[in-house]
Amino acid sequence: DGGITQSPKYLFRKEGQNVTLSCEQNLNHDAMYWYRQDPGQGLRLIYYSQIVNDFQKGDIAEGYSVSREKKESFPLTVTSAQKNPTAFYLCASTTWGQGFQPQHFGDGTRLSIL
Amino acid sequence: SQQGEEDPQALSIQEGENATMNCSYKTSINNLQWYRQNSGRGLVHLILIRSNEREKHSGRLRVTLDTSKKSSSLLITASRAADTASYFCATDSPGSGAGSYQLTFGKGTKLSVIP
Repeated sequence: DGGITQSPKYLFRKEGQNVTLSCEQNLNHDAMYWYRQDPGQGLRLIYYSQIVNDFQKGDIAEGYSVSREKKESFPLTVTSAQKNPTAFYLCASTTWGQGFQPQHFGDGTRLSIL
Repeated sequence: SQQGEEDPQALSIQEGENATMNCSYKTSINNLQWYRQNSGRGLVHLILIRSNEREKHSGRLRVTLDTSKKSSSLLITASRAADTASYFCATDSPGSGAGSYQLTFGKGTKLSVIP
């Protein structure tokens, strides 16, 4: 079955530590996205990528970094510069079909501070 | 920036009743989408309505769009306990690259369907 896989499901970060969240898709989608969701809130866009080796900042990119070396993979690094990283992180993908296409989501990674 | 705003923030109904959620947005859109999120899971796409459409149906779902009022509503008929989830509207906006787009999500309506 095609889909998006996020790992790990739960992640803990120590002070001063960088952590990397994995996102892999086998849908052959061109575009991939990272969102942050805080309790009782909507999704806020961190970064997105339309094609390999290209990505753009979203609304809240500070303290985060990404790479897009392969079409299938879009890992997100939460750096020590992100002072409030505790949140639920969602990865999504989509493609440019005939007309507008919806986004497909993974099941998220919950990041907490130790 | 948050474009869509759902109303109400929370809704509790009995099984079999209808549930109506509203979404308002601020700028012109090409499309509006509704997504569902079960607790602790990712979002699942429900339905998309284009700016030139006024109403769309999918099973027990009915979506309306009023571009003059910049608002949309999602109606779930004959609700079931399994419909318990958070529902989000999302509007598209142009991204920073040619041909790209971003979705802007509202804060969601938390629906509880009591058996």
